[in-house]
Amino acid sequence: DQQVKQNSPSLSVQEGRISILNCDYTNSMFDYFLWYKKYPAEGPTFLISISSIKDKNEDGRFTVFLNKSAKHLSLHIVPSQPGDSAVYFCAASGLDTDKLIFGTGTRLQVFP
Amino acid sequence: DAGVIQSPRHEVTEMGQEVTLRCKPISGHDYLFWYRQTMMRGLELLIYFNNNVPIDDSGMPEDRFSAKMPNASFSTLKIQPSEPRDSAVYFCASSLRVNGNQPQHFGDGTRLSIL
Repeated sequence: DQQVKQNSPSLSVQEGRISILNCDYTNSMFDYFLWYKKYPAEGPTFLISISSIKDKNEDGRFTVFLNKSAKHLSLHIVPSQPGDSAVYFCAASGLDTDKLIFGTGTRLQVFP
Repeated sequence: DAGVIQSPRHEVTEMGQEVTLRCKPISGHDYLFWYRQTMMRGLELLIYFNNNVPIDDSGMPEDRFSAKMPNASFSTLKIQPSEPRDSAVYFCASSLRVNGNQPQHFGDGTRLSIL
């Protein structure tokens, strides 16, 4: 039973445009959400997070939006750069679990 | 600052052999996590420790898998005997807290191939 879902395995975006990565979750007890970026042969690197008391968090080119009623979060990257090409994982944790539950990842390719 | 250090980076061994993966967490972090990444299941949590004590090992797939944390700066994940289906990338991560504003920091992983 996949509690955190990333339904798009891959995304291709032109440099300078917006990249939107999506994530859905099923557990209403989740209250903390994170995005990680992973390059080949490296471990995941923390990118940005959001608490359930907020609906938006911004850090430079990266913005995460949370829609609790829809159990949906998204990561916006504006403008996209070739160095953003990586696999992006969303993750969640909550009041009823100490664990981080990860999605299966979305591979983003930013082309010139 | 030194991050989470894992060794070896790559391990190739034959079925039936014992495999030991090692992890040094970030100094001062009191939580340590072991994950396995596969194409089919993504990143799965195997076990995690708090202050060197195992808290949840429900993700450990079988009795062939065991993990220890003898002190705050070292942990091992052992597979004995190993099987081809154990082939995956194994990550170790550490954090100051389980959730809140303290994200987990990952090592670069051990790519394990069981022939």
